Amino acid sequence: DAGITQSPRYKITETGRQVTLMCHQTWSHSYMFWYRQDLGHGLRLIYYSAAADITDKGEVPDGYVVSRSKTENFPLTLESATRSQTSVYFCASRAPQEIAKNIQYFGAGTRLSVL
Amino acid sequence: GQNIDQPTEMTATEGAIVQINCTYQTSGFNGLFWYQQHAGEAPTFLSYNVLDGLEEKGRFSSFLSRSKGYSYLLLKELQMKDSASYLCAPRRSNYQLIWGAGTKLIIKP
Repeated sequence: DAGITQSPRYKITETGRQVTLMCHQTWSHSYMFWYRQDLGHGLRLIYYSAAADITDKGEVPDGYVVSRSKTENFPLTLESATRSQTSVYFCASRAPQEIAKNIQYFGAGTRLSVL
Repeated sequence: GQNIDQPTEMTATEGAIVQINCTYQTSGFNGLFWYQQHAGEAPTFLSYNVLDGLEEKGRFSSFLSRSKGYSYLLLKELQMKDSASYLCAPRRSNYQLIWGAGTKLIIKP
C-alpha cells in the first residue's frame, strides 16, 4: 500500500535493552523525520534526514540513533532504553514544495513503553 | 527563540462555531500549518498559510497575521467527529516545523 507505515505499533521493553522502530514510505520523499509526543508537549523532533545517507539531529537526539541507507526506510534505534523514553513515536515524510507545500505526512505511530 | 501558545482545551456545542487561537514567536518564520489529531491517531494536515489573510476550505478556515505573530483556526457547523486535538505549527526558514502542544477540542451534543 502507498503511504508511510511504522512498525511495530506497540512495544514494551525493559530498561537497558536496544529497540529499533521501523519507518517505511512509498512516495520517494527526500525528507523524513522522527518525532516523539508526550503529554503536555508538542511534537519534538528527534532526528531528520534530507536524503539517503544524510541525517541530522533535531531537538532531542540524546539516546537515539538513526540511519538511512535507502530513501524509503528510516529506522530509529534506542541503544539502551530508559524509562524517560516511554512515549509515542511518529515518523513523517515531507512532500516537495512544488507539489504539496512541504506538507508532512505521518505514520500511525509506535507506542513504546519502557519498564 | 521560539514559543507557541494555544489554549490547552476548549469545549463547544455541535452545530456551533469555534475559533482556536495560536500565537507564536519564531525566528525565520516561513508559514504556518494546522494539523488535526484524533486521540490515538497520527496528525493529519488541515491547512497552510504563508501570506496574511484567511484561507477557507469547506467548514474549516485558517487566518494568519505575520506582523502580530497570530493565527486562528475557525471550525464551522461543528460535528461530533471534530472532537480532536488541533496542532499549530509555524515553519522556520529552514523548513522545519515547530509544534505547539495542541488544543483539545471537546464537542458536546
